[in-house]
Amino acid sequence: AQSVSQHNHHVILSEAASLELGCNYSYGGTVNLFWYVQYPGQHLQLLLKYFSGDPLVKGIKGFEAEFIKSKFSFNLRKPSVQWSDTAEYFCAVKYSSGGSYIPTFGRGTSLIVHP
Amino acid sequence: DGGITQSPKYLFRKEGQNVTLSCEQNLNHDAMYWYRQDPGQGLRLIYYSQIVNDFQKGDIAEGYSVSREKKESFPLTVTSAQKNPTAFYLCASSIVGGANVLTFGAGSRLTVL
Repeated sequence: AQSVSQHNHHVILSEAASLELGCNYSYGGTVNLFWYVQYPGQHLQLLLKYFSGDPLVKGIKGFEAEFIKSKFSFNLRKPSVQWSDTAEYFCAVKYSSGGSYIPTFGRGTSLIVHP
Repeated sequence: DGGITQSPKYLFRKEGQNVTLSCEQNLNHDAMYWYRQDPGQGLRLIYYSQIVNDFQKGDIAEGYSVSREKKESFPLTVTSAQKNPTAFYLCASSIVGGANVLTFGAGSRLTVL
């Protein structure tokens, strides 16, 4: 079965620390990759996405993610976090083969940034 | 503004009662989805629909039912058969194919008393 693993369930950082959240997926075919973010009290929204081309993808608010096909990974990074980055982060994968258009979500990572 | 409206935002239900959660979108998206969000379990797919009058079960459809009579609307009924219905429910929509980026509603929090 297709699956998405997020290795860090809870992350606590101080402002200005660097962030890396891990995401691995189980299938080796063609994939579309996403990171969504849910700020406290707000809608779940798209942070960034990868479809093809440059494996280093830049998103909103200084976030970026790198697709490493050989490692089936799509880790999210930010060089210097802010208190306002406190949120829950979800990795999602859409597998292009098999005719499915439904993305599979990871379990999420709760990030708390202390001022 | 285009978007997804979910109602009610908070709902309390007694055991044994059915409850229906509303989801309306004005994005002209063909596909609509219902997810359940529980702490530490991420988003789990309940039902999805690609076209009017057609829908498919997701990973955790037992105890839930849906309808898709209009393109804009995809209500979810949580039935008394759902063993553990207390949760946060998210509705989403997207185009079919291509990017398939999901647009989410604000969610409905259901508490069974």
